[in-house]
Amino acid sequence: DQQVKQNSPSLSVQEGRISILNCDYTNSMFDYFLWYKKYPAEGPTFLISISSIKDKNEDGRFTVFLNKSAKHLSLHIVPSQPGDSAVYFCAASRRKIQGAQKLVFGQGTRLTINP
Amino acid sequence: EAQVTQNPRYLITVTGKKLTVTCSQNMNHEYMSWYRQDPGLGLRQIYYSMNVEVTDKGDVPEGYKVSRKEKRNFPLILESPSPNQTSLYFCASSLVGYLAKNIQYFGAGTRLSVL
Repeated sequence: DQQVKQNSPSLSVQEGRISILNCDYTNSMFDYFLWYKKYPAEGPTFLISISSIKDKNEDGRFTVFLNKSAKHLSLHIVPSQPGDSAVYFCAASRRKIQGAQKLVFGQGTRLTINP
Repeated sequence: EAQVTQNPRYLITVTGKKLTVTCSQNMNHEYMSWYRQDPGLGLRQIYYSMNVEVTDKGDVPEGYKVSRKEKRNFPLILESPSPNQTSLYFCASSLVGYLAKNIQYFGAGTRLSVL
């Protein structure tokens, strides 16, 4: 039962263009969503997050959009740079429950930025 | 430097030979967790710990054990490894509570091969 799904295993984008990574979830109890970035031979690192009370959160070149009615979130990277080439994981959690720390991850999307 | 340290980074072993992967964090985090990453499946939680002497099963606990005798350490034990435990393993830690936003910090990973 995959509660968080990233249906695109890979994405290739030209440098300078916009990268859009998508994520769908099934559990309506999720109230906090995160994106992690992973380089080869390193652990995932936190990139950006969004609470379910918002529909957009922006941090520099990175913006996350949340559409609760569609149970869909997306990560936009503008402009894309070669250093953005990595695997991106979407994750979801239920933050409002006391002690609930569990993150449920998607399968990941490998983003390649071409010069 | 704040970090989560896993050892070893690479390990090749044979079926049935007990092994331990260590994890240590220096951020005084209450919560620690182990994940495994497999192609097409993303990160799946094996075990987690909310604090010292408090551990619980994640989504894929079969064949694994953990202990939390000290706040900073959370070793993963494979009593009798089998080939289906060949995977990339990550340890993570985080603060507990609503304001922590469930942001988890990951180690660099341990690549395990069981022959």
